[in-house]
Amino acid sequence: GEDVEQSLFLSVREGDSSVINCTYTDSSSTYLYWYKQEPGAGLQLLTYIFSNMDMKQDQRLTVLLNKKDKHLSLRIADTQTGDSAIYFCADLYGQNFVFGPGTRLSVLP
Amino acid sequence: NAGVTQTPKFQVLKTGQSMTLQCAQDMNHEYMSWYRQDPGMGLRLIHYSVGAGITDQGEVPNGYNVSRSTTEDFPLRLLSAAPSQTSVYFCASSSTTGARNEQYFGPGTRLTVT
Repeated sequence: GEDVEQSLFLSVREGDSSVINCTYTDSSSTYLYWYKQEPGAGLQLLTYIFSNMDMKQDQRLTVLLNKKDKHLSLRIADTQTGDSAIYFCADLYGQNFVFGPGTRLSVLP
Repeated sequence: NAGVTQTPKFQVLKTGQSMTLQCAQDMNHEYMSWYRQDPGMGLRLIHYSVGAGITDQGEVPNGYNVSRSTTEDFPLRLLSAAPSQTSVYFCASSSTTGARNEQYFGPGTRLTVT
């Protein structure tokens, strides 16, 4: 089956850029997603990218997709304390979504 | 439009007890699913449904049952609770048409089994 991997922790200083990385194994992935989970809450969709794209930009967020290496990244520009959360990479595999373990982003003042 | 609602928010059970976690959505979504979230393991799919009357197992179905008698509701039953089922449970729904580009999540149920 599909396997989605992420590093578990990332710390950055306020105002710096954050880059969260994800790797996946399914070469037939159609859509890849980034979700954000704030403490005590469910997951919310941040952005997604279609597999025929290699980049998508949405305000402070930039998603890069390298299909050859099965590597997805999420860049957050000008990271703020409100960006502190857990970020999940997810793949639509068949009928179901497969999530990575989540990267906990800590933003230091 | 309430989105996806879950009850209860918190629950403590003793080993061997049974209970039902409730999930409802008002977006007329065909697809609904249950996940459990454990530290360092992300979300693991328990059961899912692609429409009323249709359910299937996910990655970790043992110890859980589901049913889908209506489009709106997708309850998760714990038959005989075990400490290994201590977790945070999320229900989610999405449309199965178009780009399938968003799953909507409920706020979660934090379950502790002692």
